[in-house]
Amino acid sequence: EDQVTQSPEALRLQEGESSSLNCSYTVSGLRGLFWYRQDPGKGPEFLFTLYSAGEEKEKERLKATLTKKESFLHITAPKPEDSATYLCAVLDNFNKFYFGSGTKLNVKP
Amino acid sequence: NAGVTQTPKFRVLKTGQSMTLLCAQDMNHEYMYWYRQDPGMGLRLIHYSVGEGTTAKGEVPDGYNVSRLKKQNFLLGLESAAPSQTSVYFCASSAGSRNQPQHFGDGTRLSIL
Repeated sequence: EDQVTQSPEALRLQEGESSSLNCSYTVSGLRGLFWYRQDPGKGPEFLFTLYSAGEEKEKERLKATLTKKESFLHITAPKPEDSATYLCAVLDNFNKFYFGSGTKLNVKP
Repeated sequence: NAGVTQTPKFRVLKTGQSMTLLCAQDMNHEYMYWYRQDPGMGLRLIHYSVGEGTTAKGEVPDGYNVSRLKKQNFLLGLESAAPSQTSVYFCASSAGSRNQPQHFGDGTRLSIL
């Protein structure tokens, strides 16, 4: 069955401690992989779209990468304001979206 | 600079009552979506629309109906609310095709007693 799995479910970092979030997927052909950030009580906010293996996108302290089976969201020297839940979503060749359940990131000062 | 606006933000219903959630977008997007978000689960698609006057079923459509009479508005209706429909509902829109990023509203928190 097609699915998207995010790990870890929760991650606690000290300010400045770099780490990576994982999104693994099994779908019938990938049309796009999306990363979103969601703050408590808010809707998801778009971060990146990746379309093919080997592609990378960067924005401030975040860098997203894509392989044929997974994507990583690398966070370099995070700050407390990076604390949020990060969601991954995949669009397959049948135009179906699959969202992961998210990684809740907490960055302590 | 509103983007996607959802009304209401909070609502409490009794089992069997009906209500309509309103979503409005000011980005001239063709595609609109309704999702529900439950603890520990990813966003699940209820219904979506690829343009004015069109609607289609998503992953979990049972118990919900939708209408897209105007391009900028997408309505989600609950005809007879059930406790299993207690959730946070998100509306989203996207331009052009489905591989474009979606822009989300801030959600409607719905409790069914």
